[in-house]
Amino acid sequence: KAGVTQTPRYLIKTRGQQVTLSCSPISGHRSVSWYQQTPGQGLQFLFEYFSETQRNKGNFPGRFSGRQFSNSRSEMNVSTLELGDSALYLCASSSVAGALMAEQYFGPGTRLTVT
Amino acid sequence: DQQVKQNSPSLSVQEGRISILNCDYTNSMFDYFLWYKKYPAEGPTFLISISSIKDKNEDGRFTVFLNKSAKHLSLHIVPSQPGDSAVYFCAAYGTQGGSEKLVFGKGTKLTVNP
Repeated sequence: KAGVTQTPRYLIKTRGQQVTLSCSPISGHRSVSWYQQTPGQGLQFLFEYFSETQRNKGNFPGRFSGRQFSNSRSEMNVSTLELGDSALYLCASSSVAGALMAEQYFGPGTRLTVT
Repeated sequence: DQQVKQNSPSLSVQEGRISILNCDYTNSMFDYFLWYKKYPAEGPTFLISISSIKDKNEDGRFTVFLNKSAKHLSLHIVPSQPGDSAVYFCAAYGTQGGSEKLVFGKGTKLTVNP
């Protein structure tokens, strides 16, 4: 069974631009969560989707948004990029709705650099 | 305000010995705890979890202990193997105001020396 895939793996953007990251969960998994990892703040929860519905949201500004499609694939969008958005963005999938307290399977991440 | 703290950024142990990774939390809303490990260039991998109704959970070489009164949990790895060298994240889950929260510690880098 293929693992969680994330595209692209690396991305360089300029301040003020927007970016869209993509995540394909493990086949059969309907839950997708997104996380931001930075050296200063560590790993922080962004949002969780299950069957195209956002179930939970972390404490991030509205510039961060996401969605999930009917095939469970998910996209995350960050608008008006700031230097502080430079981070590793991780996607995780799970077979259950209550994914945050369940075993989640993480992808390798997308490394976003904002210049 | 760091709600989940892993105060040791790094830990080095000899192969075959016990590794003990610690984690403290401040918010009583947390009632479920998870440990993940992360190798370089890979996403985190789930290791073990524990509910607040228990004080110990064991899975092979990995055991997690929870001390609710102290708001402290620890992960024991016995015996430690070189392949256990990775960054270990503690995570705490709880609900507040109808919203679910999952908060991670900043991680402890474990090095197991052959």
